[in-house]
Amino acid sequence: DVKVTQSSRYLVKRTGEKVFLECVQDMDHENMFWYRQDPGLGLRLIYFSYDVKMKEKGDIPEGYSVSREKKERFSLILESASTNQTSMYLCASSLGPHRDGYTFGSGTRLTVV
Amino acid sequence: AQTVTQSQPEMSVQEAETVTLSCTYDTSESNYYLFWYKQPPSRQMILVIRQEAYKQQNATENRFSVNFQKAAKSFSLKISDSQLGDTAMYFCAFAQPLGAGNNRKLIWGLGTSLAVNP
Repeated sequence: DVKVTQSSRYLVKRTGEKVFLECVQDMDHENMFWYRQDPGLGLRLIYFSYDVKMKEKGDIPEGYSVSREKKERFSLILESASTNQTSMYLCASSLGPHRDGYTFGSGTRLTVV
Repeated sequence: AQTVTQSQPEMSVQEAETVTLSCTYDTSESNYYLFWYKQPPSRQMILVIRQEAYKQQNATENRFSVNFQKAAKSFSLKISDSQLGDTAMYFCAFAQPLGAGNNRKLIWGLGTSLAVNP
């Protein structure tokens, strides 16, 4: 069964900490995505990558960075966590033309205190 | 810019009945993909059904079917014989081009929260 695995289901961090959210997929997918999901705002794209070492800004990249050193792994980095980054973070991956849609991880609920 | 609109923030249905969730989108493209995703309380987002715009036949997956009206830019999801396990947030999504080549990103609606009542 194909999978996208997010390393943590729940995470609590302090303001100002550097936070790493890890995502690994075992499907040899080219494209990987990081979203945040907030009530009433739906899914908002933070960053995406369509190849190793490639990254593109999404709709809300401020305060975040990403790393994709290997095809299967896409990391989201909060350089200095703030309380307004408290959210649900979803990782997804897909094959090239997206005709098969995305496969999602189970999400990480991040709370910044 | 492409947009996806789900006009029903919340809906409810009795078990075993049929419910239709609405989705409209805006695009100038002639070919694209449309998707419905389900996110149950366990929060894993799952693909329910997809439609390719150049195919006139409506997609069907067991109890889930779509009514795709390309001219009206409408893509509604019908759930027949609703079950308690259908209780979830449902998102409509549209695949737009990312740039050169076939890479695309999804444009999402804000979701419809569906409650199936016993």
